[in-house]
Formats: sequence, structure tokens, C-alpha cells
Amino acid sequence: QSVLTQPPSVSGAPGQRVTISCTGSSSNIGAGYDVHWYQQLPGTAPKLLIYGNSNRPSGVPDRFSGSKSGTSASLAITGLQAEDEADYYCHSYGSSLSGSVFGTGTKVTVL
Amino acid sequence: QVQLVQSGAEVKKPGSSVKVSCKASGGTFSNYGISWVRQAPGQGLEWMGGIIPMFGTPNYAQKFQGRVTITADESTSTAYMELSSLKSEDTAVYFCASSYDSRGYNWFDPWGQGTLVTVSS
Repeated sequence: QSVLTQPPSVSGAPGQRVTISCTGSSSNIGAGYDVHWYQQLPGTAPKLLIYGNSNRPSGVPDRFSGSKSGTSASLAITGLQAEDEADYYCHSYGSSLSGSVFGTGTKVTVL
Repeated sequence: QVQLVQSGAEVKKPGSSVKVSCKASGGTFSNYGISWVRQAPGQGLEWMGGIIPMFGTPNYAQKFQGRVTITADESTSTAYMELSSLKSEDTAVYFCASSYDSRGYNWFDPWGQGTLVTVSS
């Protein structure tokens, strides 16, 4: 079961900005653990998008950005493109479970 | 950068066990963690546990304690995940992923291609 809560879906027109929230608690995000984000295209493995709350790996477009505050984190996609249509997951560490915890996942649809 | 290649799809009977492999190439296998994450059909991601081959001691998610065994063979740069007492609910794609630790603190990158395990009578 997922410990971090995300909206099931978000959508936007090409070129627009969308944000995905990731809500946790005092035993994970709120405890100071970093948040990471992944993009998963249909039928493929997840791909790292943001690590350490706001850092982009080499090769990830700067249209993707991450932030964290309190017990929540957010992923923003600016200049939405058709290729951004995918599932997105947040990820952190949960001290009560002594291991990684993932978000419920958000499907991004480009209208 | 390291690449992870997993073994092929499996079909298992309820009550049996499955062992999935994850072979690393292009990097230093022993120093980095390998975690296992599964994804049931149409569902989200679930961390199962991890290991740093150099240290050899695995860490397991509470949910899978007693049913999962994660090992690593430094000589072949291969990590393994064995899940026992399989149930239909264990039908999922199982991914291995590289990290800086075995407890799930850090991000996972890269990921293996995934192995579909189907549990059916």
C-alpha cells in the first residue's frame, strides 16, 4: 500500500504548466527525508526525473522541477509536451516502515 | 553508467517460489545498493528490500519479512530476489534498481527492464 498521496490524474494543454502534489506525514517527508520523482511510460521501467527534492539528472529537460515543503512535495512540468504523457511517482523514506515509500501515482494527460 | 538486465518472465503455482536475477554491467557492482521494487497490474510501486553486495546484509520491507530473500553474487555481478509462498496477489512486474544504499533512503537509478511474475493455478 502507498504511504504518499498523489492526485490520480492531472491534465493540461500543450505548453501549459501542471503540478503534481505528493503528501506525506511526519514519519516520511516531514521527518526531513528527501523526495525523488520518477516518470513511467506505458510498459516501461520507471525513469528518474528528480532526486534530492529538486535536482535533475543529466539529460532531464529543465521543464521538470521539484520542490519540498513540510510534509509535502511537488513536481512541476512547464511547457507541457505530448511526450510527457505518462505516470509519475514520488518516492521518499518512511521511518515507521523502515524503508522506501512511494506515492500513489499520477497520470498526466496532454489534451 | 551501470546497466541492469533482468531474467525472463515466470509463471508459478500458488505456494511455490520464484527467483529473479538482475545482472549489472558497466559499473562497480559491489559498492552500490540494489533494491527490488514490484508493481502489480495497474497498481503503484512497492519497495521490497535492498542489498549492498560488498556488505552482503540485506534489508527488507516489513511487509515481505520472512517471505523474501535478497542476495548478491559479486563474482557474476548479479543480484537475486527470491519470493516464497507465492499467492495470486504476488502477480506483478518485479524491478531491480541501483541506489546508494540498501535501506531505500536514496533515489533509484537506473532500473532493470522488469520481470513479469504470474502466479496462477
